[in-house]
Amino acid sequence: SQTIHQWPATLVQPVGSPLSLECTVEGTSNPNLYWYRQAAGRGLQLLFYSVGIGQISSEVPQNLSASRPQDRQFILSSKKLLLSDSGFYLCAWSVIDKETQYFGPGTRLLVL
Amino acid sequence: GDSVTQMEGPVTLSEEACLTINCTYTATGYPSLFWYVQYPGEGLQLLLKATKADDKGSNKGFEATYRKETTSFHLEKGSVQVSDSAVYFCALSLDQNFVFGPGTRLSVLP
Repeated sequence: SQTIHQWPATLVQPVGSPLSLECTVEGTSNPNLYWYRQAAGRGLQLLFYSVGIGQISSEVPQNLSASRPQDRQFILSSKKLLLSDSGFYLCAWSVIDKETQYFGPGTRLLVL
Repeated sequence: GDSVTQMEGPVTLSEEACLTINCTYTATGYPSLFWYVQYPGEGLQLLLKATKADDKGSNKGFEATYRKETTSFHLEKGSVQVSDSAVYFCALSLDQNFVFGPGTRLSVLP
């Protein structure tokens, strides 16, 4: 069966520090991968999605970036965090033609 | 563009009360429709889905019917439990484009 992992689960970082969040999927090949952010008490904001290795589409201009170095690995990065980057970051995957997204457990990021 | 609208929350109910969370959508084609649930501190879990008109999705006592004529996918449960307290997201998928509603927070009191 397919599983999706995210780490770390929780992260506290100072403003201006770098960020790297990792997401990996097991049990499927060539998934579509997604990064979402959820601010406290708010809905989901799609940040990036990827349909293959090295292919990244950005939905919202910001100081975050994403990379997909391997088929089932999706990384969210920042060179310098802002206070507004605080939130709950969710990774999700889907399979082409299956239409359903499956979410990881999330990473809670607090920027101080 | 495609969009999903959900009723404003929070919704507070007593245990064993009936639940309805309204969801309507706009789309250029015929999307698949979903309800996801997010328990405190966790990611989203797929609750149920429907892929064509008049389909009924159901899971854990929840159900929703794909109504093409009213472009709706309302979530219902006959008797809620304290453990149903969570945020519920309505979503659509069309041509690999996913759109989520803003979420509705449900609190069930004992």
